[in-house]
Amino acid sequence: DQQVKQNSPSLSVQEGRISILNCDYTNSMFDYFLWYKKYPAEGPTFLISISSIKDKNEDGRFTVFLNKSAKHLSLHIVPSQPGDSAVYFCAALTVYNQGGKLIFGQGTELSVKP
Amino acid sequence: GAGVSQSPRYKVAKRGQDVALRCDPISGHVSLFWYQQALGQGPEFLTYFQNEAQLDKSGLPSDRFFAERPEGSVSTLKIQRTQQEDSAVYLCASSESGISTDTQYFGPGTRLTVL
Repeated sequence: DQQVKQNSPSLSVQEGRISILNCDYTNSMFDYFLWYKKYPAEGPTFLISISSIKDKNEDGRFTVFLNKSAKHLSLHIVPSQPGDSAVYFCAALTVYNQGGKLIFGQGTELSVKP
Repeated sequence: GAGVSQSPRYKVAKRGQDVALRCDPISGHVSLFWYQQALGQGPEFLTYFQNEAQLDKSGLPSDRFFAERPEGSVSTLKIQRTQQEDSAVYLCASSESGISTDTQYFGPGTRLTVL
């Protein structure tokens, strides 16, 4: 019963183009969503987040979109750079839960080719 | 230290051995989390501490797994009588307060291989 799903294990994009990573969730109690980026042999690094009261959050080249009715979020990277090549994890939490237990998707490996 | 550190980085254990994995969170961080990441999967929550109190251990897969944070800083995850299915990367994360939306900062993980 995977509550957070990333259905694309991998994505390949040309440098300078847009990368779109998708994530679906099933638990309607989730009200805060995050994207983490992971390089090999390192821990995940926080990238961007969005509260369920918003439908968009932007930070530089990174924008996260949330569609609550579809229980879907996406991460857009524009323009994509070779240094963006990494595994991207979508995660969700329920704000009122003490501490902030994160529920992660399986990850999408992004490859940005020069 | 500048970030979360974990030791050892790699651990090989024979089935049935006990192992102890250490996490040094960012200094002053109140919250500490342990996650387990199997190959090709996302991290899965194991347990959560606020200072020295273990407030959520719902993700620990069996009573062979035990975590502690006795002085509210360093934490140890202990696995008794290791099994092959325990092979995974064990990630520790810390956050500044007990607020659920605080950013969690992850360590590099300990890769455990059980033979």
